[in-house]
Amino acid sequence: KAGVTQTPRYLIKTRGQQVTLSCSPISGHRSVSWYQQTPGQGLQFLFEYFSETQRNKGNFPGRFSGRQFSNSRSEMNVSTLELGDSALYLCASSPDSQNQPQHFGDGTRLSIL
Amino acid sequence: QKEVEQDPGPLSVPEGAIVSLNCTYSNSAFQYFMWYRQYSRKGPELLMYTYSSGNKEDGRFTAQVDKSSKYISLFIRDSQPSDSATYLCAMSALVANAGKSTFGDGTTLTVKP
Repeated sequence: KAGVTQTPRYLIKTRGQQVTLSCSPISGHRSVSWYQQTPGQGLQFLFEYFSETQRNKGNFPGRFSGRQFSNSRSEMNVSTLELGDSALYLCASSPDSQNQPQHFGDGTRLSIL
Repeated sequence: QKEVEQDPGPLSVPEGAIVSLNCTYSNSAFQYFMWYRQYSRKGPELLMYTYSSGNKEDGRFTAQVDKSSKYISLFIRDSQPSDSATYLCAMSALVANAGKSTFGDGTTLTVKP
């Protein structure tokens, strides 16, 4: 069974630009969560989608948004990029997020110049 | 104060040693406890998943949860150089926070041959 796939693996952007990251969950998984990982803050929860609906949201500004498609694939968008957005963005999937652990992709490394 | 505190490390042990990794938490709503292993430039890989208090063993790994003390541990027996990685504890609450796990900051382990 294929794991969680994230694309692209690496991105370099400049301040003020926007970026879209993609995540394909494990086949059959309907819940997709996004996390930001930085050396100073560790893994921080961004949001979770299930059946194309955002069910939960972390404490990030509105510049961070996401969506989920009918095939459970998910995208995350960050607008008006800031230097502090440089991080590893991780996507995790689970069958339905209740009582079941999440499985992570290898992330997208975003660098802001 | 963070909801999840993890022994910071780093930890360096000789091959064959028993390793103990520990986390404490403050949120009594946490019911699901996970340990992930993260290699450099990779996403977190699920090692152990437990519900409520007790022990769970899987090969060389044993996870312990003590909800009364709000304390969890991961023991690695007969440690190998391939166990060198960052270990993350994670916890989640049922229902209230769909798709969200709260992570410790990680402990970096080096096993020397």
